[in-house]
Amino acid sequence: NAGVMQNPRHLVRRRGQEARLRCSPMKGHSHVYWYRQLPEEGLKFMVYLQKENIIDESGMPKERFSAEFPKEGPSILRIQQVVRGDSAAYFCASSRLPGGSQETQYFGPGTRLLVL
Amino acid sequence: GENVEQHPSTLSVQEGDSAVIKCTYSDSASNYFPWYKQELGKRPQLIIDIRSNVGEKKDQRIAVTLNKTAKHFSLHITETQPEDSAVYFCAASISPALIFGKGTTLSVSS
Repeated sequence: NAGVMQNPRHLVRRRGQEARLRCSPMKGHSHVYWYRQLPEEGLKFMVYLQKENIIDESGMPKERFSAEFPKEGPSILRIQQVVRGDSAAYFCASSRLPGGSQETQYFGPGTRLLVL
Repeated sequence: GENVEQHPSTLSVQEGDSAVIKCTYSDSASNYFPWYKQELGKRPQLIIDIRSNVGEKKDQRIAVTLNKTAKHFSLHITETQPEDSAVYFCAASISPALIFGKGTTLSVSS
């Protein structure tokens, strides 16, 4: 019973480079959420996707950040031209039913991004 | 938008004591309230959740209470053990996201 998978687990980038984070939801789940966690903080919602659709991206910065969940393959969170303030843990979660339906979200192990 | 306040930020107890963590939320439309436990460097793990049609839920040493009128919910851990030491996050759902509190660092000393 594989849980939510994320890779890489750790990612180091220099300022100005691109970071690409991957998330494979639990088997049978087609709803994916991305959250960001700064040190000593709670998780902050970024974006909610279903297969081939971005449903809600209200928590995602308007510039440099994008997300996709293609028909085949993992969901990807892309950060272009990274800055030091992007350093954080990025968690992906998945659910079987749509978000907002009192459905449990299961979290992956996270990707810890460090921008030098 | 929804805001979730969590208290206390740190909590130290002796093994065997009880621990209580409290959260308040602002949006009366929230109807699902999970609690997650996060150990250092690990993923948040769901430990218990409660839905708005229920006032209390218990699972062994863990219980959660919900007061929708007052918009607050609480986590109760009885007979704490050193392995309960972790950061605990409450959350409230406001479709489709979970809005998290800032966390409570629980330390259980033996």
